[in-house]
Amino acid sequence: GAVVSQHPSRVICKSGTSVKIECRSLDFQATTMFWYRQFPKQSLMLMATSNEGSKATYEQGVEKDKFLINHASLTLSTLTVTSAHPEDSSFYICSANPPGQGNTEAFFGQGTRLTVV
Amino acid sequence: GNSVTQMEGPVTLSEEAFLTINCTYTATGYPSLFWYVQYPGEGLQLLLKATKADDKGSNKGFEATYRKETTSFHLEKGSVQVSDSAVYFCALRKNTGNQFYFGTGTSLTVIP
Repeated sequence: GAVVSQHPSRVICKSGTSVKIECRSLDFQATTMFWYRQFPKQSLMLMATSNEGSKATYEQGVEKDKFLINHASLTLSTLTVTSAHPEDSSFYICSANPPGQGNTEAFFGQGTRLTVV
Repeated sequence: GNSVTQMEGPVTLSEEAFLTINCTYTATGYPSLFWYVQYPGEGLQLLLKATKADDKGSNKGFEATYRKETTSFHLEKGSVQVSDSAVYFCALRKNTGNQFYFGTGTSLTVIP
């Protein structure tokens, strides 16, 4: 199946710093990627839809200036958590779908465990 | 709107017990339905899926049938193993677009 790679898998940062998370589709081109956030013992909540060559679409309640998304190529989307705070500590996961395959499943990255101290 | 309601956990079963995790959905149109599994420390992996009413998805001994009349997609396994311990997510995907909607997840622990 298609492969989506996410990096890093774990990151610890100091409060006030910024962290960049990368999501790559390794064997297909993705015009759209999705970023989710998962709090402990809760489901994945869609944060934003990353669109290649245009602005991301953010879900209600997600601060676009805090969670910067860049989808500069058909195989790479990045999520930057700016001025991170402890409440931003969470599991972030991206997904993408190979194009032209109708109702196929989403392929997920391995996720990034962010801890802000 | 679109949403998924999933049986709350955690669920603890003995090895070889029968498993059912309930999942119901609300959706406009005819979505595709999925079960994803998340093992400790890992991302989500597709377990099975069904794309239309009455379809049955199956994989690794797990099964789920797309029931349009009851808007359900319950996950079942006849005999669970310790290695099945994980968090299971029910999800739907609209026929238009690529957005998924997830349930809250059900944590399963299987004890020897």
